[in-house]
Amino acid sequence: KAGVTQTPRYLIKTRGQQVTLSCSPISGHRSVSWYQQTPGQGLQFLFEYFSETQRNKGNFPGRFSGRQFSNSRSEMNVSTLELGDSALYLCASCHGGRGDTQYFGPGTRLTVL
Amino acid sequence: KNEVEQSPQNLTAQEGEFITINCSYSVGISALHWLQQHPGGGIVSLFMLSSGKKKHGRLIATINIQEKHSSLHITASHPRDSAVYICAVGGSQGNLIFGKGTKLSVKP
Repeated sequence: KAGVTQTPRYLIKTRGQQVTLSCSPISGHRSVSWYQQTPGQGLQFLFEYFSETQRNKGNFPGRFSGRQFSNSRSEMNVSTLELGDSALYLCASCHGGRGDTQYFGPGTRLTVL
Repeated sequence: KNEVEQSPQNLTAQEGEFITINCSYSVGISALHWLQQHPGGGIVSLFMLSSGKKKHGRLIATINIQEKHSSLHITASHPRDSAVYICAVGGSQGNLIFGKGTKLSVKP
């Protein structure tokens, strides 16, 4: 079974631009969660989608948004990029039950100049 | 105070040593996860615990719900165990709350 895939793997943007990241979960998984990892803050939860609905949301500004499609693939969008948005963005998928083991993708490394 | 505290932050060991990484948390949890992150970013889920003890190969994870504390042990450590080990707790909203991680370096 293929693992979680994320595209693109690396991305360079400038301040003020917007970016869309994509995550394809493991086949059969209905939950996709997104995380931001920075050297200063470590890993932080962004949001979770389950069956095309946002089920949980972390404490991030509205510039961070996401969606999930009927095939469970998910996208994350960041508008009006700031330097501080430079980070590794990870997605993880699971079947969707509380406490399920999450399977992480390799991440997208975003650099904002 | 962080909701999830790990210690130590950095750990250097000689090959073959027994290693313990600790995690304390202050929130109610549904489960506790131990994750491993290698250089380059990939994260692997090692354990998910809600009580007791789990073992997988040379790795052992324990949790004490009353004391809100978990430990990850590595027996007979090997240089390939060098990685960042992250404790994460499942919050009441279903999200994960992460510790800052423990960077382990095992020298041959």
